[in-house]
Amino acid sequence: QVQLLQSGAEVKRPGASVNLSCEASGDTFTTFYVHWMRQVPGQGLEWMGMINPLNGDTSFGQRLQGRVSMTRDSSTSTVTMELSSLRSDDTAIYYCARGYGFLDFWGRGTLVIVSS
Amino acid sequence: DIVMTQSPDTLSVSPGESATLSCRASQNVRSLLAWYQQKPGQPPRLLIYGASTRATAIPARFSGHGSGTEFTLTISSLQSEDFALYYCQQYSTWPQFTFGQGTKLEIK
Repeated sequence: QVQLLQSGAEVKRPGASVNLSCEASGDTFTTFYVHWMRQVPGQGLEWMGMINPLNGDTSFGQRLQGRVSMTRDSSTSTVTMELSSLRSDDTAIYYCARGYGFLDFWGRGTLVIVSS
Repeated sequence: DIVMTQSPDTLSVSPGESATLSCRASQNVRSLLAWYQQKPGQPPRLLIYGASTRATAIPARFSGHGSGTEFTLTISSLQSEDFALYYCQQYSTWPQFTFGQGTKLEIK
């Protein structure tokens, strides 16, 4: 069974950066892209970007270009997403999920709170 | 960017009845559309991909239709566990994807 295990909740100051991890198990790590989405509590889903674990190629949503990056570590089957220059409106639950286009397995999410 | 617009924002339906949720794309997305269900405190769950193909273990009461710019998700014989949030997502503009704003399906 495919599982995506996400790192724990984070509290950050405005202007800081946050690194969130997503460890895959139950399937070949390089088989599917890993995507990141976020959801402000009570609001909808925003697609942030994705990474190809096979070669590290990335694509990011227009809104977050320049503030988001993604890397992968094949030795630990882990993808890491970094979001920099945090603002209060980055407070959200961050999800990783796998897929090419549609997303068939999701992590349980990581809450990030940005507050002074 | 392709904008996905779902309607209505909230749909009130009685258990046992059917519900039809709509999703409109601002541009042609062919059949590259997925539907997800999300319950409080949980991540989204894939229901439908390719506009009409049910994902693994999804009951037959969930059905998706449409292509191009107009899509629907129909849930027949609503069960208590079906009352949740539903999102559509287009993946035609790979590698850039967008979600709709969601429809809340609530008990009438």
